[in-house]
Amino acid sequence: NAGVTQTPKFRILKIGQSMTLQCTQDMNHNYMYWYRQDPGMGLKLIYYSVGAGITDKGEVPNGYNVSRSTTEDFPLRLELAAPSQTSVYFCASSYSGGGNSPLHFGNGTRLTVT
Amino acid sequence: GQQLNQSPQSMFIQEGEDVSMNCTSSSIFNTWLWYKQDPGEGPVLLIALYKAGELTSNGRLTAQFGITRKDSFLNISASIPSDVGIYFCSLETSGSRLTFGEGTQLTVNP
Repeated sequence: NAGVTQTPKFRILKIGQSMTLQCTQDMNHNYMYWYRQDPGMGLKLIYYSVGAGITDKGEVPNGYNVSRSTTEDFPLRLELAAPSQTSVYFCASSYSGGGNSPLHFGNGTRLTVT
Repeated sequence: GQQLNQSPQSMFIQEGEDVSMNCTSSSIFNTWLWYKQDPGEGPVLLIALYKAGELTSNGRLTAQFGITRKDSFLNISASIPSDVGIYFCSLETSGSRLTFGEGTQLTVNP
């Protein structure tokens, strides 16, 4: 199994451009999450999904959108990139959510907005 | 939002030394989790704690769920170079959501 796969690994955007960060998992997990990691700031939850067709906001959703049309895929969309969105983005999935089921993380997408 | 304080922010130690880090929360919770992030990768679960006072080991790692249910610590004994990375504590704060501490960056000098 590949686990959680994120693409691209790196991206540089100009201010105002848009892009989609891709995330796919092959473990048939219902729960999927997007986190951003800023230096020294830990992981902040952007959006999450408890199943196909269901999404909800996390702590820092502004400037992002998500969709969950299939169990496997959970893309994150940036519509108007801003320098404040420079960060490392991690997608994660789990079988049942919460603390009883470990999160499986992808290896991240490093995004720079200039 | 939930206040989750993790300390220290960083540690520089010699190979063979023991390490201790801890997390405190402003509220009571039922689950404490410890994750490790290797350089350039996503975090991986090390230890999960579900009961106040619980002490759990995973090889050279030992973690405890504080009696007050507001804190947890992680110890690493006899550190080795591959212990380098960022260690995060995490709490299940609501439903299916996890909140992460700011991490402890560990550097091990051979």
